[in-house]
Amino acid sequence: QKEVEQNSGPLSVPEGAIASLNCTYSDRGSQSFFWYRQYSGKSPELIMFIYSNGDKEDGRFTAQLNKASQYVSLLIRDSQPSDSATYLCAVNPGGYGGSQGNLIFGKGTKLSVKP
Amino acid sequence: NTGVTQTPKFRILKIGQSMTLQCTQDMNHNYMYWYRQDPGMGLKLIYYSVGAGITDKGEVPNGYNVSRSTTEDFPLRLELAAPSQTSVYFCASSPRTDNSPLHFGNGTRLTVT
Repeated sequence: QKEVEQNSGPLSVPEGAIASLNCTYSDRGSQSFFWYRQYSGKSPELIMFIYSNGDKEDGRFTAQLNKASQYVSLLIRDSQPSDSATYLCAVNPGGYGGSQGNLIFGKGTKLSVKP
Repeated sequence: NTGVTQTPKFRILKIGQSMTLQCTQDMNHNYMYWYRQDPGMGLKLIYYSVGAGITDKGEVPNGYNVSRSTTEDFPLRLELAAPSQTSVYFCASSPRTDNSPLHFGNGTRLTVT
């Protein structure tokens, strides 16, 4: 059973702090990794994706991948109240032909940024 | 382009009833998907399609059926609704097999009582 694990939270950080969201996955052959943000009652939206070991930065967001440890994380710098949402980690398992629709999603981490 | 449109937004069904959740996209995407999301849970893939006339099962297909007669439309059929099918259903599309973002519809909240 291929699994993606996330701490369900809630994770509470003060405005302006760094929020760190973590995710582990079981399938060592996984090739690509995604972070989706989902506001309450809304549909998920893609924030970042990462394929290679190391860091990938986009604005206030940094995704970090360590395939040896089967670990992927999302850092949000200068957190804002508008970042309050559930963050879903998703993994594209090896052998599924690469379609992102065959992603395995974690249960999500609820982030709350306090003003 | 309006993206991915799902109807209805909300629906209450009685046990044993049937219904079709509609999904249409105007982005000419080949790939379309149906997910369900239970409270506090991640998204579970029900069915997906790689193009018109081609569908395949995902992780949780039991109790559902799909068809894909056109590129634009990917309806999800629930036969003999059960309380376990109470969930939020999301339709999504993507243009190709690489890691293009999934474009989600706004979801359908279904309650079976």
